[in-house]
Amino acid sequence: GENVEQHPSTLSVQEGDSAVIKCTYSDSASNYFPWYKQELGKRPQLIIDIRSNVGEKKDQRIAVTLNKTAKHFSLHITETQPEDSAVYFCAAYLVGVEYGNKLVFGAGTILRVKS
Amino acid sequence: DAMVIQNPRYQVTQFGKPVTLSCSQTLNHNVMYWYQQKSSQAPKLLFHYYDKDFNNEADTPDNFQSRRPNTSFCFLDIRSPGLGDAAMYLCATKELLGGGNEQFFGPGTRLTVL
Repeated sequence: GENVEQHPSTLSVQEGDSAVIKCTYSDSASNYFPWYKQELGKRPQLIIDIRSNVGEKKDQRIAVTLNKTAKHFSLHITETQPEDSAVYFCAAYLVGVEYGNKLVFGAGTILRVKS
Repeated sequence: DAMVIQNPRYQVTQFGKPVTLSCSQTLNHNVMYWYQQKSSQAPKLLFHYYDKDFNNEADTPDNFQSRRPNTSFCFLDIRSPGLGDAAMYLCATKELLGGGNEQFFGPGTRLTVL
């Protein structure tokens, strides 16, 4: 089955600095990689995602890069703000009934942005 | 225009007393998921339905059961809750065919076991 490792487990940055969270996955059949932001007591919220046929995707201050050969993908947040403080989860998805249609989550990264 | 609705948002039960959590969706998605999330951990998939086909994760305890009577509703039954079952329970939906890849999460039900 798929296994997703996420690093670091905690990350503290100064407001305005960049933050990078990295994930690796094990199953080369995974073809969709979402990133979720979860604030305390709330549902996971999709912030960006990337498909395996794309190497990079950007949405304002957030970008995701994917290296299929190395089986790793990263979340980049630039110009961090205090409201970016949350837990971030990466995930890998095996699309298709034969794979169980499942998201496999990384363990999460607690991001703290200090003002 | 809520899309995935979970009731109740907070549930308190006693040790060993059966409890049912409910999830409904207005998206008409064919896949529904139940996750368990404990503090500071990632959501853990318990089971999912593709239409009426039930798929249980290998490590989901027998204490957890699920029902999906129709496309819109899915229930999580915990037959004999233990203290270790206290968690946030998240429901999510997805349209498998032609609907993109995003899973839509409900707001969750926070379960407390006394």
